[in-house]
Amino acid sequence: EDQVTQSPEALRLQEGESSSLNCSYTVSGLRGLFWYRQDPGKGPEFLFTLYSAGEEKEKERLKATLTKKESFLHITAPKPEDSATYLCAVQAWDNQGGKLIFGQGTELSVKP
Amino acid sequence: KAGVTQTPRYLIKTRGQQVTLSCSPISGHRSVSWYQQTPGQGLQFLFEYFSETQRNKGNFPGRFSGRQFSNSRSEMNVSTLELGDSALYLCASMSGTGYTEAFFGQGTRLTVV
Repeated sequence: EDQVTQSPEALRLQEGESSSLNCSYTVSGLRGLFWYRQDPGKGPEFLFTLYSAGEEKEKERLKATLTKKESFLHITAPKPEDSATYLCAVQAWDNQGGKLIFGQGTELSVKP
Repeated sequence: KAGVTQTPRYLIKTRGQQVTLSCSPISGHRSVSWYQQTPGQGLQFLFEYFSETQRNKGNFPGRFSGRQFSNSRSEMNVSTLELGDSALYLCASMSGTGYTEAFFGQGTRLTVV
């Protein structure tokens, strides 16, 4: 069964304190891995798509990496406005269409 | 470029009633997926429509149904509402061809009392 596990469930950082969020996945054949950011009461906001092991993508203070079993979202020198829940999702090749399987998310809090 | 529009944003319904939620995808996108988000279960896939046909379905009871119109707008219906149906319902828009990102709407917050 395809599955996504994110850790930690919650992460508290001081402003400027870099860290990483983990997304471990089990999927029959990975078509793509997504990272989203979600603010309370809002829909997920797309951040990155990764397709193959070794791939990396960056956006401002965020950098996503992918291996054959997991993905990391590295946050460098975070600011309070980076506080949100970060979601990881996978899509498998044996799925027809756009079904995404999500992890439970990591709730990030950055204090000034 | 307009984003994904979901209406209404908030709904309060009584147990046993039915409800219809609407989603307008990004212009040119032909795939619409629906997800249920609850604190305990996270984001769970309900179903996907592409060119007016259901292309994929999650593990939800038959009380949950959907449809897609020729302009790609989609509706989701839940009949005989239960307290456990209270959730944030999210719609995702994809181009539907090849492999592309899914863009989400702001969601409809459904409360069943």
